[in-house]
Amino acid sequence: QSVLTQPPSASGTPGQRVTIPCSGSTSNIGGNTVSWYQQVPGTAPKLVIYSNNQRPSGVPDRFSGSKSGTSASLAISGLQSEDEADYYCAAWDDSLNGYVVFGGGTKLTVL
Amino acid sequence: QVQLVQSGAEVKNPGSSVKVSCKASGGTFNNYAISWVRQAPGQGLEWMGVFILTLATADYAQKFLGRVTITADKSTGTAYMDLTRLRSEDTAVYYCARVRSYYESGDDFSYYLDYWGQGTLVTVSS
Repeated sequence: QSVLTQPPSASGTPGQRVTIPCSGSTSNIGGNTVSWYQQVPGTAPKLVIYSNNQRPSGVPDRFSGSKSGTSASLAISGLQSEDEADYYCAAWDDSLNGYVVFGGGTKLTVL
Repeated sequence: QVQLVQSGAEVKNPGSSVKVSCKASGGTFNNYAISWVRQAPGQGLEWMGVFILTLATADYAQKFLGRVTITADKSTGTAYMDLTRLRSEDTAVYYCARVRSYYESGDDFSYYLDYWGQGTLVTVSS
């Protein structure tokens, strides 16, 4: 059972906009920023969004992030076949001694 | 460009230990922290702990306290993750990743992993 909650799957057709939600609590998303990672099966995760809505260099501007209260979301516009992957949200959690919590991951299928 | 290169796959017996290495190149190794994250087959990501190079200290997820030790050698730019008393549930791909962390305006703490190693498969089986 992951601390952050994501839907197990999402899908869209090429060119569409899809949104992946991530729900947490006051000890994590509510008080700290959210990052998002893209993982193509068999490869290492790749950072696509940090500090809620910042894109690292090289990540297309089709990827955007937002946060409100204890929830966050990743949006991908102009969906492309290469976007098919697993997506994970993450945040620092202030409980216990502090640690990183991840969502369970959302498998994005491009139909 | 920062690169993290990890050691190769391991097969271990239950009850034994494994030590995985993560060598950094590019960037300034000593100014950052290195986290370890694992992923069991078909499962999600799980944070294990971090070594803060500027303080030479480690913090661990409560689940792994007493079983994991994370260290780093500044002279070689290499981080290590040592996991003891292995059991079958520890079979996973283990990743190292560089940490970026700072306080944003408004006191929100920003913590993210910007570069990742390629992963090391550790199989625990008799």
